[in-house]
Amino acid sequence: QVQLVQSGAEVKKPGASVQVSCKTSGYTFTTYFIHWVRQAPGHGLEWMGIINTDDGVTDSAHNFKGRLTMTRDTSTSTVYMELNGLTSGDTALYYCVREKPGGGFDFWGHGTMVSVSS
Amino acid sequence: QTVVTQEPSLTVSPGGTVTLTCASSTGAVTVGCLPNWFQQKPGQTPRTLIYSSYNKHSWTPARFSGFLLGDKAMLTLSDVQPEDEAEYYCLLYCGRTWAFGGGTKLTVL
Repeated sequence: QVQLVQSGAEVKKPGASVQVSCKTSGYTFTTYFIHWVRQAPGHGLEWMGIINTDDGVTDSAHNFKGRLTMTRDTSTSTVYMELNGLTSGDTALYYCVREKPGGGFDFWGHGTMVSVSS
Repeated sequence: QTVVTQEPSLTVSPGGTVTLTCASSTGAVTVGCLPNWFQQKPGQTPRTLIYSSYNKHSWTPARFSGFLLGDKAMLTLSDVQPEDEAEYYCLLYCGRTWAFGGGTKLTVL
């Protein structure tokens, strides 16, 4: 069965960086894109970026350009999201979600809570 | 920067029908915008209901339907059940970037 298992909760200080992992299983890793989506407490979903797991090409939302890095390790079928220059505004639940190329979103990770506080 | 607009809230009676809409600031929502619809209940991970405009997953209840009408993407819930009370989000790839709508809080009353 398809699974997207994310790393555990993180607490960071302002200005720090955070890395969240999304380990996938149950399908051929390189045939699906992975997106990152976040949700601040009490707010809606915000699209952050996408990684093509086949060639590693990424794209991110304007709000995150220069601050968001997404990578993948095909040997472990894992995708990584690193966000730097953290502020309190980055406190949110971060999700990875799978897309079959062409707009076919389906499975979501369980989410990783990132808290930023001095 | 694309802005995706949804109704902030809607109320429907059990057994009724309700349609949620999703519009893009870039213009008409077309199949090329690859509309997806997600349901999120309080404290839960979002669940994908509809992908690429109208396609359902195996777990999507038959009473949910996605389609395009006019300039918008739409999600219709028929024979609404109490468990359909949730937040619904659309996601579009208009303007060559992905963007979520602000969500529609659906109340079943």
